[in-house]
Amino acid sequence: QKEVEQNSGPLSVPEGAIASLNCTYSDRGSQSFFWYRQYSGKSPELIMFIYSNGDKEDGRFTAQLNKASQYVSLLIRDSQPSDSATYLCAVTSYNNNDMRFGAGTRLTVKP
Amino acid sequence: EPEVTQTPSHQVTQMGQEVILRCVPISNHLYFYWYRQILGQKVEFLVSFYNNEISEKSEIFDDQFSVERPDGSNFTLKIRSTKLEDSAMYFCASRTGRETQYFGPGTRLLVL
Repeated sequence: QKEVEQNSGPLSVPEGAIASLNCTYSDRGSQSFFWYRQYSGKSPELIMFIYSNGDKEDGRFTAQLNKASQYVSLLIRDSQPSDSATYLCAVTSYNNNDMRFGAGTRLTVKP
Repeated sequence: EPEVTQTPSHQVTQMGQEVILRCVPISNHLYFYWYRQILGQKVEFLVSFYNNEISEKSEIFDDQFSVERPDGSNFTLKIRSTKLEDSAMYFCASRTGRETQYFGPGTRLLVL
């Protein structure tokens, strides 16, 4: 069973702070790792993806991947109230033909 | 910007009825997917489709489900005999190459 685990939260941070979201996965053969944002009643919206160990930065977002620990994280710098949403970690296998999601972490950024 | 579109946005059906959910993937995408999300739960992979055949399917995708690409643009999910527990949001997604999957807005299915 390919599992993707996230803390469900809620995670609450003040505006301007750094939000840290974590995810672990069980399938060592996983190749690609994604962070999606989902607002209530809406579809997942891609934030960023990462394939290689290390950090990847895109604006206020940094994804970190550690394949040895089977761990991927997302840092959101200078958090804004508009960042309040559920953040979904997703993982695909070697052939990229499936995507397994975690249950999501609900983030609230307080003004 | 190209988008994945889905119709209908909402569908209400009686238990035991057949439903067809429709998706139009982004035009140059080659890989297509269906997911579902039961209210308050995680997004679950159902099936992937490439080159007119199923690439992979999950344990959820049993004999009551089928997918089809009836023409060059549409991608459909059929549920043959709906059950109460099929009530969920169904998302279509598409991708090309190694790029990520882009999701449609979803169809909310309610089975009564």
